[in-house]
Amino acid sequence: GAGVSQSPSNKVTEKGKDVELRCDPISGHTALYWYRQSLGQGLEFLIYFQGNSAPDKSGLPSDRFSAERTGGSVSTLTIQRTQQEDSAVYLCASSLASPIAGRREQFFGPGTRLTVL
Amino acid sequence: QQQVKQSPQSLIVQKGGISIINCAYENTAFDYFPWYQQFPGKGPALLIAIRPDVSEKKEGRFTISFNKSAKQFSLHIMDSQPGDSATYFCAASPNYGGSQGNLIFGKGTKLSVKP
Repeated sequence: GAGVSQSPSNKVTEKGKDVELRCDPISGHTALYWYRQSLGQGLEFLIYFQGNSAPDKSGLPSDRFSAERTGGSVSTLTIQRTQQEDSAVYLCASSLASPIAGRREQFFGPGTRLTVL
Repeated sequence: QQQVKQSPQSLIVQKGGISIINCAYENTAFDYFPWYQQFPGKGPALLIAIRPDVSEKKEGRFTISFNKSAKQFSLHIMDSQPGDSATYFCAASPNYGGSQGNLIFGKGTKLSVKP
């Protein structure tokens, strides 16, 4: 079946512009996560949606970052007034809401590479 | 504060050799420890995972060893192959009452297997 898809695959923007990154999770997955991967670094958690619960925004680095998830499916990560330090690969992942014991696999999309000039 | 520390940063192994990557964690609330494999231009993919009630888990050539008292876990790749060349991330996740929490990742190990 279809995996997690993200668009665009690459985004180049100018400092100060706003950008929107899109994630389409696997159908039926109610948990959705956004991570950021900077060059040579691990994955940094940004935000987590679980069903209709309030999202866990504890990883968002500043108030310029926000995300929403409409209809429990598609999610959009918005970065306002982009800065050069926002340049990174933004990864989306989804998983089942009720994990089978021992399985909490998060399925990742290919990411969006954001470059802020 | 880095909650999951991974080493080495890079690793070169000859074909047929054993690759060993180590991770250490601090938060005793962690109860799920996966390893992810990432190829260039792709998102990470789950390789193998372990829970703290077992000390070892093996799947094919891949083995996780887990030491709860030391708060350490490691990935062993037996008979390493050039196709295993990738970046490997360890991660940990706390148990939020049975629901899924975010993963906390190590910084990754770039593995190169020489033919």
